[in-house]
Amino acid sequence: DSGVTQTPKHLITATGQRVTLRCSPRSGDLSVYWYQQSLDQGLQFLIQYYNGEERAKGNILERFSAQQFPDLHSELNLSSLELGDSALYFCASSASGSYNSPLHFGNGTRLTVT
Amino acid sequence: QQQVKQSPQSLIVQKGGISIINCAYENTAFDYFPWYQQFPGKGPALLIAIRPDVSEKKEGRFTISFNKSAKQFSLHIMDSQPGDSATYFCAASEGAVFGNEKLTFGTGTRLTIIP
Repeated sequence: DSGVTQTPKHLITATGQRVTLRCSPRSGDLSVYWYQQSLDQGLQFLIQYYNGEERAKGNILERFSAQQFPDLHSELNLSSLELGDSALYFCASSASGSYNSPLHFGNGTRLTVT
Repeated sequence: QQQVKQSPQSLIVQKGGISIINCAYENTAFDYFPWYQQFPGKGPALLIAIRPDVSEKKEGRFTISFNKSAKQFSLHIMDSQPGDSATYFCAASEGAVFGNEKLTFGTGTRLTIIP
């Protein structure tokens, strides 16, 4: 068990809808990362937060947004959903952002857009 | 843009054999190269990592070999066991500057160890 909790485990929704994915990092970890995993693209970095502030941005669509709250949990909001957004969304956390502080991944949220 | 190319896509190895997974990168600024292991239904977990100041790093049955001039690195699993059956991802980042930020992952290798 990595200590990173993601909810829900599965989400099925229709095109055009909006969903929120939630992540609770490991106790004490200040950094939260969001990744999208699809069959053909592998793991794609979306965004990172450190202690409540956005730290780095990857290939995150404008329809997607995230935030990290004072209690360090994070939410990823996906809006105007398209079929191509169907994927596994992983949250990871680390104590800092340093490479000496490894990433710990949650078990993911599987999003299916119909 | 695929900055880390991983091969093969899938690999079947007999129990006790050596599993080899290769990765190549383009960005010469990359200086941190971790490997992650992912079991079905789970998130990836860090397996082993290397920095370019060494050409090889070994942890138990797992070894990373690194060739800076060729911009390639590989994972070797010695005495492969059925429990090693998983998907393996290589990754890279400008660790000294960005740490774990913007880790670029390969597309993964599904490894199956057969008895």
